[in-house]
Amino acid sequence: GAGVSQTPSNKVTEKGKYVELRCDPISGHTALYWYRQSLGQGPEFLIYFQGTGAADDSGLPNDRFFAVRPEGSVSTLKIQRTERGDSAVYLCASSLTGGENEQFFGPGTRLTVL
Amino acid sequence: AQSVTQLDSHVSVSEGTPVLLRCNYSSSYSPSLFWYVQHPNKGLQLLLKYTSAATLVKGINGFEAEFKKSETSFHLTKPSAHMSDAAEYFCVVSATGGYNKLIFGAGTRLAVHP
Repeated sequence: GAGVSQTPSNKVTEKGKYVELRCDPISGHTALYWYRQSLGQGPEFLIYFQGTGAADDSGLPNDRFFAVRPEGSVSTLKIQRTERGDSAVYLCASSLTGGENEQFFGPGTRLTVL
Repeated sequence: AQSVTQLDSHVSVSEGTPVLLRCNYSSSYSPSLFWYVQHPNKGLQLLLKYTSAATLVKGINGFEAEFKKSETSFHLTKPSAHMSDAAEYFCVVSATGGYNKLIFGAGTRLAVHP
């Protein structure tokens, strides 16, 4: 079956611009996670959705970052006024429910802020 | 707070020789621990998980890991390396004891030489 997909695979933008990154989870998975992986580091948790609601957004670095999941399926990570330090690979994962279920990761979106 | 430390950023082995990737964890309660693998241009894949059952955990592709509470370690091993094992490996602890928030180590890059 189809795995987690993310679009675009690469995004290049200029400092100060607004970007949206999309995640399509595995069909039927109610839990969705966003992580950020900077160069040479492990992924860092950003936000966790259970259904339509953000159950844990403690990893969002500041108020320029926002994520939505309006229908409990597709999620969009939104970054306002991008900065060069936002350059990273943004990973999305989904699991059947929250709790003790394996997270399946997408291939990521590589964001480059010039 | 939970954390993991991967003791080697790079490990190089010859094909057919054993693999040892070292990981120490810190957790205020009985942790859930995982190893993930990341091949170039591919999504993160779960190798194995420990969730307080057997301390020796067997995973995919011949990998296994042993949970040692007294040493706070969760080292990943494989008896005989294959060229296809070359990848980045991440030791991961769950922040809540479940799957909700994964905390990744910095990663160990495994190189396998003929």
